[in-house]
Amino acid sequence: ETGVTQTPRHLVMGMTNKKSLKCEQHLGHNAMYWYKQSAKKPLELMFVYSLEERVENNSVPSRFSPECPNSSHLFLHLHTLQPEDSALYLCASSQWARADQPQHFGDGTRLSIL
Amino acid sequence: KNEVEQSPQNLTAQEGEFITINCSYSVGISALHWLQQHPGGGIVSLFMLSSGKKKHGRLIATINIQEKHSSLHITASHPRDSAVYICAVIKETSGSRLTFGEGTQLTVNP
Repeated sequence: ETGVTQTPRHLVMGMTNKKSLKCEQHLGHNAMYWYKQSAKKPLELMFVYSLEERVENNSVPSRFSPECPNSSHLFLHLHTLQPEDSALYLCASSQWARADQPQHFGDGTRLSIL
Repeated sequence: KNEVEQSPQNLTAQEGEFITINCSYSVGISALHWLQQHPGGGIVSLFMLSSGKKKHGRLIATINIQEKHSSLHITASHPRDSAVYICAVIKETSGSRLTFGEGTQLTVNP
């Protein structure tokens, strides 16, 4: 139990569907992150939120839309995805949005695009 | 070429063996993380270090900043150590961003 919970754990969707990934942290952290992990590739940072404000947007296509309504919750809204978007999506949190802070990860959502 | 390279990509060992995983990087860094990812997907932070050596239980991490190299050692390996081990660096100008290696898949057989 890392204190970071992601739902759903698995998601299969068609290219025309709209779905959302949810992340919740119970650690009192102020920063939250979305990462994409594709097979045989390094983790890719997608978005960083600090105190509910987006501080990094790593050239992610607009079909991925993040939302951070409060410091405990982070969403990733998905629409019109492509097959290459199939991957493990990981959420993480840290006390502050600094790379020298330990990050606590959720177990991820395994996304498959048909 | 990735800025962070790990070797080997895959490693199979027998229970009890001493294991070494290597990480080399080509950029200036302020610190380096070692992470462990279990088959279920979740990632756990093992160490963050900027110099010398750190030890936690059977795990030892070392770093040589001048040589741009870090190693993760596991003593008396056990099947439960089977996981992907990921090296990530904090580049000197990175702010909130980590730069990750591709990971090393370790399998320890009983």
